[in-house]
Amino acid sequence: GQNIDQPTEMTATEGAIVQINCTYQTSGFNGLFWYQQHAGEAPTFLSYNVLDGLEEKGRFSSFLSRSKGYSYLLLKELQMKDSASYLCACMDSNYQLIWGAGTKLIIKP
Amino acid sequence: SAVISQKPSRDICQRGTSLTIQCQVDSQVTMMFWYRQQPGQSLTLIATANQGSEATYESGFVIDKFPISRPNLTFSTLTVSNMSPEDSSIYLCSVQGTEAQPQHFGDGTRLSIL
Repeated sequence: GQNIDQPTEMTATEGAIVQINCTYQTSGFNGLFWYQQHAGEAPTFLSYNVLDGLEEKGRFSSFLSRSKGYSYLLLKELQMKDSASYLCACMDSNYQLIWGAGTKLIIKP
Repeated sequence: SAVISQKPSRDICQRGTSLTIQCQVDSQVTMMFWYRQQPGQSLTLIATANQGSEATYESGFVIDKFPISRPNLTFSTLTVSNMSPEDSSIYLCSVQGTEAQPQHFGDGTRLSIL
């Protein structure tokens, strides 16, 4: 079956770095997406990886290893506003998104 | 990215009634989707809204309960029919330009059934 695994909750300190991992098993692969969702709001798109390697976008970077079925989202110089849920989603061979349960990130001062 | 307007933003409804949620996009998009998100949980796809034809429903969701319309490439509606408290949730529409592009979401509709 198709499955996305990511930690339920993580805690980090303001100004630090945090890495949120995601492992996936899907029928085919057409890319991996990361979304940010603040409480009470809709998800917003952060990053897309389809090739192996690291994609950097400001304070946020996303990494993909297709052979390992693994991705991570790296957040640097954490700010209080980064407190949110981070959703990992994998696009399968039918271009359908398979969603992880999300990782709730708590930033402490 | 496209500007997506979803209405209503929230509603409180009586058991047994129906509510129609609208999703309007400011540009033509190939794909539109409807999701449900229970509190503290991830997204569950209800259906893909197909322009000019019947929606494609995911397992566990049926047309009689969640009728969907998509008359053109910029607009779709989701109706939650004969509501019960179990239907209390956030309902989200999303749009996607082409198959390998990210989905973008409307602000969601927070629905509570009494």
